[in-house]
Amino acid sequence: ELKVEQNPLFLSMQEGKNYTIYCNYSTTSDRLYWYRQDPGKSLESLFVLLSNGAVKQEGRLMASLDTKARLSTLHITAAVHDLSATYFCAVDEGYSGGSNYKLTFGKGTLLTVNP
Amino acid sequence: DGGITQSPKYLFRKEGQNVTLSCEQNLNHDAMYWYRQDPGQGLRLIYYSQIVNDFQKGDIAEGYSVSREKKESFPLTVTSAQKNPTAFYLCASRYLGTDTQYFGPGTRLTVL
Repeated sequence: ELKVEQNPLFLSMQEGKNYTIYCNYSTTSDRLYWYRQDPGKSLESLFVLLSNGAVKQEGRLMASLDTKARLSTLHITAAVHDLSATYFCAVDEGYSGGSNYKLTFGKGTLLTVNP
Repeated sequence: DGGITQSPKYLFRKEGQNVTLSCEQNLNHDAMYWYRQDPGQGLRLIYYSQIVNDFQKGDIAEGYSVSREKKESFPLTVTSAQKNPTAFYLCASRYLGTDTQYFGPGTRLTVL
């Protein structure tokens, strides 16, 4: 059974600071997704990482994937209040022909950026 | 506008009643998914469907049922057999051959 663990689960940081959210998973996978969720809202896709060593950046967020370590990171640079949200990583259980693209989600990291 | 719609946004149910949550998409996506989210938790997969008239159980299918009679529609029925149905339900869809699942706005179900 695929397990996905995020840490920390809660992160309070000051504006302007840097921090990293970690996502570990238990079985082999080359596909990892990061989503953002605002309170009471749906999920917004942030990044899709499809191979070992993949790195994607959008604004103050950068995500990377190390499939050998079964680890993805979401790095926040110079945080601003608008980044306050819950961030989820999700791992695809399989990707070969005929894959169902089933996603297993972590519990999420609640990020609060304080002025 | 293309997108995924879910209705209703809020739903209240008495114990012992079945209720059906609607999910419609006009994105021409092939695959559709139902997830459940509990407070402070990640999403858990209930059912998914890759083509019309075919669907598979996810990790927590007990007490739920689905149908996929049309490509654009994937309704979820929460039956009285679901012991703890109060949760936020999210529908998602994906175009086969691409990687990203797109999510609808969600339905918040409360059992009274």
